[in-house]
Amino acid sequence: EIVLTQSPATLSLSPGERATLSCRASQSVSSYLAWYQQKPGQAPRLLIYDASNRATGIPARFRGSGSGTDFTLTISSLEPEDFAVYYCQQRSNWFTFGGGTKVEIK
Amino acid sequence: EVQLVESGGGLVKPGGSLRLSCAASGFTFSNAWMSWVRQAPGKGLECVGRIKTKTDGGTTDYAAPVKGRFTISRDDSKNTLYLQMNSLKTEDTAVYYCTTYRPLPPNSAFDYWGQGTLVTVSS
Repeated sequence: EIVLTQSPATLSLSPGERATLSCRASQSVSSYLAWYQQKPGQAPRLLIYDASNRATGIPARFRGSGSGTDFTLTISSLEPEDFAVYYCQQRSNWFTFGGGTKVEIK
Repeated sequence: EVQLVESGGGLVKPGGSLRLSCAASGFTFSNAWMSWVRQAPGKGLECVGRIKTKTDGGTTDYAAPVKGRFTISRDDSKNTLYLQMNSLKTEDTAVYYCTTYRPLPPNSAFDYWGQGTLVTVSS
């Protein structure tokens, strides 16, 4: 099973700041990595697919990068609605999710 | 507008069975690969299983923890996805989400999600 490790577990930032979230895979997943946002009491929402492609309707402040085993989700300038938990997920070998990074208001 | 509406969750005893349903609308259901993803309370996400379209063979695949106990099926005439869960264990307690899954771009991931239905396995 491919294990995805996300860091940090919690990121405390202010609106307008830049957020950088990391996802590391236990073996190469090529570019088959997605990112999701989940707010309390809601279902996850797809943000990025295949490492660097924004899903339909996702604002340009969300950017995904990386390949192989190291991936990054960058939110260029945090909006109030961006404070949430973010998960990465691979589809190279079955499907596994990372443990999540919580972006909270500082 | 794509809508996925799950139903059938509830409280069940260990060893019991439950069937979840997911009513789909707003897209051509028969053309969509579908999956079930669960989330234990306060925990992360786990894909339980996936079913392909009949055109792609209609085959199913399951995560190791549920293989042999859970069965995914679809009724394209009713635009409905099912998850039959047997021999339930306390560790199956979770919110179960119905999702679409796209194997190819664009949006090649779990792109649409329902609101989820809670399954609690407890004596």
